[in-house]
Amino acid sequence: EAQVTQNPRYLITVTGKKLTVTCSQNMNHEYMSWYRQDPGLGLRQIYYSMNVEVTDKGDVPEGYKVSRKEKRNFPLILESPSPNQTSLYFCASSPQIHTEAFFGQGTRLTVV
Amino acid sequence: AQTVTQSQPEMSVQEAETVTLSCTYDTSESDYYLFWYKQPPSRQMILVIRQEAYKQQNATENRFSVNFQKAAKSFSLKISDSQLGDAAMYFCAYRRHGAGSYQLTFGKGTKLSVIP
Repeated sequence: EAQVTQNPRYLITVTGKKLTVTCSQNMNHEYMSWYRQDPGLGLRQIYYSMNVEVTDKGDVPEGYKVSRKEKRNFPLILESPSPNQTSLYFCASSPQIHTEAFFGQGTRLTVV
Repeated sequence: AQTVTQSQPEMSVQEAETVTLSCTYDTSESDYYLFWYKQPPSRQMILVIRQEAYKQQNATENRFSVNFQKAAKSFSLKISDSQLGDAAMYFCAYRRHGAGSYQLTFGKGTKLSVIP
């Protein structure tokens, strides 16, 4: 089954403790993105990648890192999480630059 | 920078009736893509419909159709014969055409309730 898989689905952590949210797609898509969703703000793009080793900032990249060492994986790294990073996070992938994105199930992150 | 505006934070519709959700956007580009996504309580983001700006014909997908007014920069979604399963958050999104950018800009969403 074609899908984008994020892990974990839920995570509660403490301020400053490094964490990684994994994202994997099995569709051989070149394009992948991370978004955060906050009430009243919709979805905002954090980072995106147009190919292996090619990444770029979205609208809200501060406090996040990404890597794209393999085509299928695009992990989101929070080196020192803070409470304002409490949010719902989505990973997405697309086969071409102008097509719609296929979204993962979301990761609910709480930083206390 | 492109912006996408959904002016209706919440809407409701009677089951079997028709409802229209509004979306406007601001861009200096002439070629781009527009999308409507549905997010039910499960949180899953589901593509509803897609429109390419260079196509004058409005996109249609079963009970869902759009009214794309390029000059007015308007992209509304019409849901006909509303069903209980249509209750969800709906997001309008914009992506510019052209290599070098993969940014997808979303509106803040409209919460649609369907009344039995």
